[in-house]
Amino acid sequence: EAQVTQNPRYLITVTGKKLTVTCSQNMNHEYMSWYRQDPGLGLRQIYYSMNVEVTDKGDVPEGYKVSRKEKRNFPLILESPSPNQTSLYFCASSPLMGGGYTFGSGTRLTVV
Amino acid sequence: KNEVEQSPQNLTAQEGEFITINCSYSVGISALHWLQQHPGGGIVSLFMLSSGKKKHGRLIATINIQEKHSSLHITASHPRDSAVYICAVYPNRDTDKLIFGTGTRLQVFP
Repeated sequence: EAQVTQNPRYLITVTGKKLTVTCSQNMNHEYMSWYRQDPGLGLRQIYYSMNVEVTDKGDVPEGYKVSRKEKRNFPLILESPSPNQTSLYFCASSPLMGGGYTFGSGTRLTVV
Repeated sequence: KNEVEQSPQNLTAQEGEFITINCSYSVGISALHWLQQHPGGGIVSLFMLSSGKKKHGRLIATINIQEKHSSLHITASHPRDSAVYICAVYPNRDTDKLIFGTGTRLQVFP
Protein backbone atom coordinates (compact mmCIF):
# COMPACT_ATOMS: atom_id res chain seq x y z
CA GLU A 1 0.00 0.00 0.00
CA ALA A 2 1.29 3.41 -1.00
CA GLN A 3 1.73 5.44 2.13
CA VAL A 4 3.64 7.98 4.18
CA THR A 5 4.49 6.66 7.63
CA GLN A 6 5.15 9.03 10.51
CA ASN A 7 6.27 8.11 13.98
CA PRO A 8 5.42 8.63 16.72
CA ARG A 9 1.72 9.57 16.57
CA TYR A 10 1.83 11.24 19.97
CA LEU A 11 4.76 12.65 21.89
CA ILE A 12 5.04 14.59 25.12
CA THR A 13 8.48 15.93 25.93
CA VAL A 14 10.19 18.53 28.06
CA THR A 15 11.77 21.77 26.97
CA GLY A 16 15.26 21.33 25.61
CA LYS A 17 15.24 17.56 25.13
CA LYS A 18 16.21 16.77 21.54
CA LEU A 19 13.72 14.72 19.57
CA THR A 20 13.25 13.30 16.09
CA VAL A 21 10.02 12.61 14.25
CA THR A 22 10.50 10.10 11.48
CA CYS A 23 8.84 10.12 8.07
CA SER A 24 9.11 7.44 5.41
CA GLN A 25 7.39 7.03 2.04
CA ASN A 26 7.25 3.98 -0.23
CA MET A 27 6.19 5.68 -3.48
CA ASN A 28 9.62 6.78 -4.73
CA HIS A 29 8.49 10.41 -4.54
CA GLU A 30 11.10 13.09 -5.07
CA TYR A 31 9.35 15.81 -3.07
CA MET A 32 8.88 15.58 0.69
CA SER A 33 7.74 18.24 3.09
CA TRP A 34 7.01 18.91 6.75
CA TYR A 35 4.09 21.02 7.97
CA ARG A 36 2.80 22.15 11.29
CA GLN A 37 -0.88 22.80 11.90
CA ASP A 38 -2.07 25.23 14.54
CA PRO A 39 -5.63 26.38 15.28
CA GLY A 40 -6.64 29.33 13.12
CA LEU A 41 -3.39 29.26 11.14
CA GLY A 42 -3.85 26.23 8.94
CA LEU A 43 -0.95 24.19 7.61
CA ARG A 44 2.38 25.95 7.38
CA GLN A 45 5.44 24.52 5.69
CA ILE A 46 8.52 23.99 7.85
CA TYR A 47 11.05 22.44 5.45
CA TYR A 48 10.93 20.66 2.15
CA SER A 49 13.19 18.52 0.00
CA MET A 50 13.14 18.07 -3.74
CA ASN A 51 15.51 15.13 -3.76
CA VAL A 52 18.26 13.37 -1.84
CA GLU A 53 20.65 15.82 -0.15
CA VAL A 54 18.50 18.78 -1.32
CA THR A 55 16.57 20.55 1.45
CA ASP A 56 15.23 24.05 1.82
CA LYS A 57 13.41 26.22 4.32
CA GLY A 58 9.68 26.66 4.20
CA ASP A 59 7.71 29.40 5.88
CA VAL A 60 8.43 28.56 9.53
CA PRO A 61 11.83 26.81 9.75
CA GLU A 62 13.12 28.31 13.00
CA GLY A 63 13.88 25.68 15.64
CA TYR A 64 13.78 22.75 13.22
CA LYS A 65 16.26 20.74 11.18
CA VAL A 66 15.78 18.08 8.52
CA SER A 67 17.91 15.71 6.51
CA ARG A 68 17.40 13.71 3.32
CA LYS A 69 20.09 11.07 3.14
CA GLU A 70 17.83 8.56 1.40
CA LYS A 71 14.95 9.18 -0.96
CA ARG A 72 12.36 7.47 1.23
CA ASN A 73 13.19 9.12 4.59
CA PHE A 74 12.82 12.72 5.73
CA PRO A 75 13.16 13.06 9.51
CA LEU A 76 12.28 16.24 11.38
CA ILE A 77 14.64 17.13 14.21
CA LEU A 78 13.98 19.49 17.08
CA GLU A 79 17.36 20.10 18.69
CA SER A 80 15.99 22.04 21.67
CA PRO A 81 12.18 21.94 21.69
CA SER A 82 10.26 24.80 23.23
CA PRO A 83 6.58 25.07 24.25
CA ASN A 84 5.78 27.17 21.14
CA GLN A 85 6.58 24.08 19.06
CA THR A 86 3.61 22.28 20.57
CA SER A 87 1.59 21.49 17.46
CA LEU A 88 0.27 18.85 15.09
CA TYR A 89 2.91 17.91 12.53
CA PHE A 90 2.41 16.34 9.12
CA CYS A 91 4.84 14.87 6.68
CA ALA A 92 3.83 14.66 3.02
CA SER A 93 5.32 13.48 -0.23
CA SER A 94 4.57 13.93 -3.92
CA PRO A 95 6.14 13.38 -7.28
CA LEU A 96 7.62 16.58 -8.69
CA MET A 97 5.59 19.04 -10.77
CA GLY A 98 2.39 18.94 -8.80
CA GLY A 99 1.67 15.24 -8.98
CA GLY A 100 -0.57 15.15 -5.92
CA TYR A 101 0.29 14.90 -2.25
CA THR A 102 0.10 11.95 0.14
CA PHE A 103 0.07 12.88 3.83
CA GLY A 104 1.22 10.98 6.86
CA SER A 105 -1.15 10.39 9.78
CA GLY A 106 0.27 13.24 11.84
CA THR A 107 2.30 13.58 15.03
CA ARG A 108 0.80 15.45 17.93
CA LEU A 109 3.70 16.98 19.86
CA THR A 110 3.39 18.59 23.27
CA VAL A 111 6.41 20.37 24.77
CA VAL A 112 6.09 21.16 28.47
CA LYS B 1 -4.49 38.75 3.37
CA ASN B 2 -4.26 35.00 2.84
CA GLU B 3 -3.63 33.90 -0.72
CA VAL B 4 -6.23 31.14 -0.27
CA GLU B 5 -9.53 31.96 1.43
CA GLN B 6 -12.27 29.51 2.31
CA SER B 7 -15.85 30.09 3.27
CA PRO B 8 -17.60 29.40 5.45
CA GLN B 9 -15.19 28.72 8.31
CA ASN B 10 -17.77 26.59 10.09
CA LEU B 11 -20.80 24.83 8.70
CA THR B 12 -23.48 22.72 10.33
CA ALA B 13 -26.04 20.72 8.40
CA GLN B 14 -28.75 18.14 8.86
CA GLU B 15 -28.24 14.73 7.34
CA GLY B 16 -29.34 14.70 3.72
CA GLU B 17 -28.64 18.36 3.02
CA PHE B 18 -26.63 19.59 0.03
CA ILE B 19 -23.38 21.20 1.17
CA THR B 20 -21.21 23.75 -0.63
CA ILE B 21 -17.78 24.89 0.52
CA ASN B 22 -16.04 27.68 -1.35
CA CYS B 23 -12.40 28.45 -2.04
CA SER B 24 -11.04 31.64 -3.58
CA TYR B 25 -7.39 32.29 -4.33
CA SER B 26 -5.45 35.32 -5.46
CA VAL B 27 -2.47 33.77 -7.28
CA GLY B 28 -2.07 32.05 -10.60
CA ILE B 29 -2.20 28.32 -10.08
CA SER B 30 -1.45 25.12 -11.94
CA ALA B 31 -3.80 22.94 -9.88
CA LEU B 32 -5.92 22.84 -6.75
CA HIS B 33 -6.35 20.18 -4.06
CA TRP B 34 -9.35 19.50 -1.88
CA LEU B 35 -8.29 17.70 1.29
CA GLN B 36 -10.31 16.12 4.09
CA GLN B 37 -9.17 15.97 7.70
CA HIS B 38 -11.18 13.83 10.09
CA PRO B 39 -11.26 14.44 13.85
CA GLY B 40 -8.52 11.82 14.30
CA GLY B 41 -6.22 14.19 12.44
CA GLY B 42 -5.19 12.37 9.27
CA ILE B 43 -5.36 14.24 5.96
CA VAL B 44 -6.66 12.60 2.82
CA SER B 45 -6.60 14.04 -0.68
CA LEU B 46 -10.11 14.08 -2.17
CA PHE B 47 -9.47 15.75 -5.51
CA MET B 48 -6.78 17.42 -7.50
CA LEU B 49 -8.08 19.47 -10.41
CA SER B 50 -6.89 22.11 -12.80
CA SER B 51 -10.05 22.70 -14.82
CA GLY B 52 -13.73 21.83 -15.00
CA LYS B 53 -15.30 19.37 -12.65
CA LYS B 54 -14.56 16.07 -10.92
CA LYS B 55 -16.96 13.71 -9.17
CA HIS B 56 -16.33 10.89 -6.72
CA GLY B 57 -19.37 9.32 -5.15
CA ARG B 58 -21.33 12.07 -3.39
CA LEU B 59 -18.51 14.58 -3.72
CA ILE B 60 -18.20 17.03 -6.60
CA ALA B 61 -15.43 19.57 -7.08
CA THR B 62 -15.49 22.39 -9.59
CA ILE B 63 -12.97 25.02 -10.52
CA ASN B 64 -13.16 28.25 -12.51
CA ILE B 65 -9.61 29.29 -13.32
CA GLN B 66 -10.62 32.69 -14.74
CA GLU B 67 -12.54 33.60 -11.60
CA LYS B 68 -9.93 32.02 -9.29
CA HIS B 69 -12.61 30.06 -7.49
CA SER B 70 -13.36 26.45 -6.62
CA SER B 71 -16.26 24.77 -4.88
CA LEU B 72 -16.64 21.45 -3.13
CA HIS B 73 -20.17 20.05 -3.04
CA ILE B 74 -21.45 17.17 -0.95
CA THR B 75 -24.78 15.71 -1.97
CA ALA B 76 -27.00 13.84 0.52
CA SER B 77 -24.69 14.68 3.40
CA HIS B 78 -24.13 12.13 6.16
CA PRO B 79 -22.69 12.40 9.69
CA ARG B 80 -19.57 10.56 8.51
CA ASP B 81 -18.88 13.57 6.24
CA SER B 82 -18.15 15.60 9.39
CA ALA B 83 -14.58 16.76 8.99
CA VAL B 84 -12.43 19.75 8.17
CA TYR B 85 -12.19 20.39 4.43
CA ILE B 86 -9.07 22.17 3.25
CA CYS B 87 -8.45 23.84 -0.07
CA ALA B 88 -4.81 24.04 -1.24
CA VAL B 89 -3.32 25.41 -4.45
CA TYR B 90 -0.14 24.86 -6.46
CA PRO B 91 1.01 28.39 -7.34
CA ASN B 92 2.54 28.91 -10.79
CA ARG B 93 5.57 30.53 -9.15
CA ASP B 94 6.43 27.23 -7.39
CA THR B 95 4.68 24.23 -8.87
CA ASP B 96 5.64 21.82 -6.08
CA LYS B 97 4.61 23.87 -3.05
CA LEU B 98 1.06 23.87 -1.74
CA ILE B 99 -0.53 26.99 -0.25
CA PHE B 100 -3.31 26.05 2.14
CA GLY B 101 -6.55 27.65 3.16
CA THR B 102 -7.41 27.53 6.86
CA GLY B 103 -10.16 24.98 6.36
CA THR B 104 -13.92 24.67 6.73
CA ARG B 105 -15.19 22.68 9.68
CA LEU B 106 -18.31 20.73 8.70
CA GLN B 107 -20.61 19.02 11.18
CA VAL B 108 -23.50 16.95 9.88
CA PHE B 109 -26.13 15.97 12.44
CA PRO B 110 -28.47 12.98 12.14
